[in-house]
Amino acid sequence: AQSVTQLDSQVPVFEEAPVELRCNYSSSVSVYLFWYVQYPNQGLQLLLKYLSGSTLVESINGFEAEFNKSQTSFHLRKPSVHISDTAEYFCAVSELGDNQGGKLIFGQGTELSVKP
Amino acid sequence: NAGVTQTPKFQVLKTGQSMTLQCAQDMNHNSMYWYRQDPGMGLRLIYYSASEGTTDKGEVPNGYNVSRLNKREFSLRLESAAPSQTSVYFCASSEGEGGTQYFGPGTRLLVL
Repeated sequence: AQSVTQLDSQVPVFEEAPVELRCNYSSSVSVYLFWYVQYPNQGLQLLLKYLSGSTLVESINGFEAEFNKSQTSFHLRKPSVHISDTAEYFCAVSELGDNQGGKLIFGQGTELSVKP
Repeated sequence: NAGVTQTPKFQVLKTGQSMTLQCAQDMNHNSMYWYRQDPGMGLRLIYYSASEGTTDKGEVPNGYNVSRLNKREFSLRLESAAPSQTSVYFCASSEGEGGTQYFGPGTRLLVL
């Protein structure tokens, strides 16, 4: 069965510092990988995803994640964070070809807190 | 486009009461999902519907039932609410495998 582990429940960081949010997954088949972000009192929204092709994927607001098949990881990075990046971040996995409508398994979430 | 809408936004129930959470999407998506979110546990899939007319259990289906009323609507029913079902419930929809899931604003449920 597939599973997702986010290694840090909380990550405090100062504004303009770099940040990495770690995500590892386990699955016996090929997967799609996602990062979602949840701002306070809102639903989740997609940040970026890996389906195929280049293992480095980027979002429009400066985040990037790299799919590492050998280490079964999909860590999220940003070279310089802003106060507005304060949110909870969720890593998720979906298995290819499972005929299950693209259902996602989520990690436990990482709270990113950016301090001035 | 409204995207994914959920009603109600907030509900308080007594143990044993029943209720139905409503969800609708206007993006013509095939797949719809119900999740619950609890602190420190991320989102857990309750039920999903890969296409109109089909529903399947997710990770935590006990105590819940669902109905895919048509392509737009996917409801979640609690027949006899328990305090352990206190949570925030999110509905989502997508085109299917590999597709982006779009989430509703959530329903905050408190069971006393």
